[in-house]
Amino acid sequence: AQSVTQLDSQVPVFEEAPVELRCNYSSSVSVYLFWYVQYPNQGLQLLLKYLSGSTLVKGINGFEAEFNKSQTSFHLRKPSVHISDTAEYFCAVMDSSYKLIFGSGTRLLVRP
Amino acid sequence: ETGVTQSPTHLIKTRGQQVTLRCSSQSGHNTVSWYQQALGQGPQFIFQYYREEENGRGNFPPRFSGLQFPNYSSELNVNALELDDSALYLCASSLRRGGRTDTQYFGPGTRLTVL
Repeated sequence: AQSVTQLDSQVPVFEEAPVELRCNYSSSVSVYLFWYVQYPNQGLQLLLKYLSGSTLVKGINGFEAEFNKSQTSFHLRKPSVHISDTAEYFCAVMDSSYKLIFGSGTRLLVRP
Repeated sequence: ETGVTQSPTHLIKTRGQQVTLRCSSQSGHNTVSWYQQALGQGPQFIFQYYREEENGRGNFPPRFSGLQFPNYSSELNVNALELDDSALYLCASSLRRGGRTDTQYFGPGTRLTVL
């Protein structure tokens, strides 16, 4: 069965600093990978996705992620964070039956 | 283009009651998936509907059931509510074509509290 691991439950960072949120997945087949963001008391908003093609994927709000097949990783990065980026971030893999399997989430806490 | 909408926003029920949650898909989408997100956890897949039929189910008991209507809107029904059913219920819509489904777009969720 596929699974997703987000090793960091919380990542504190100062405003305007770079950040990387880590995501590793387990899969023996082709994967579709996603990052979603969840602001307090809201649903999930798609940040970016990898379906095929270029391994560097750019998303909304200045985020990008790199698909690394050999390391089974899909880490999310942003070169300079803002206070408004404070939220919960979820990595997900889509399995062969087209359901999403989510990690446990990483809370990004941006401090002034 | 309208996004995914869910109703109600919040709901409080007591143990043993039944509840129905509703979801309207994004325009042009034909597939609906439901997820349960307990506090502090990632969403867990409940089931998916395509062309009004269940098309995959997660590890949830039969008291969780659903419907998809011809206009692709959907309902999630939960019978005999238990305290552990308290969670945020998320609906996601997507377009399935050529046997493939990719990006799922989520609604704002329904917060269910069972007392």
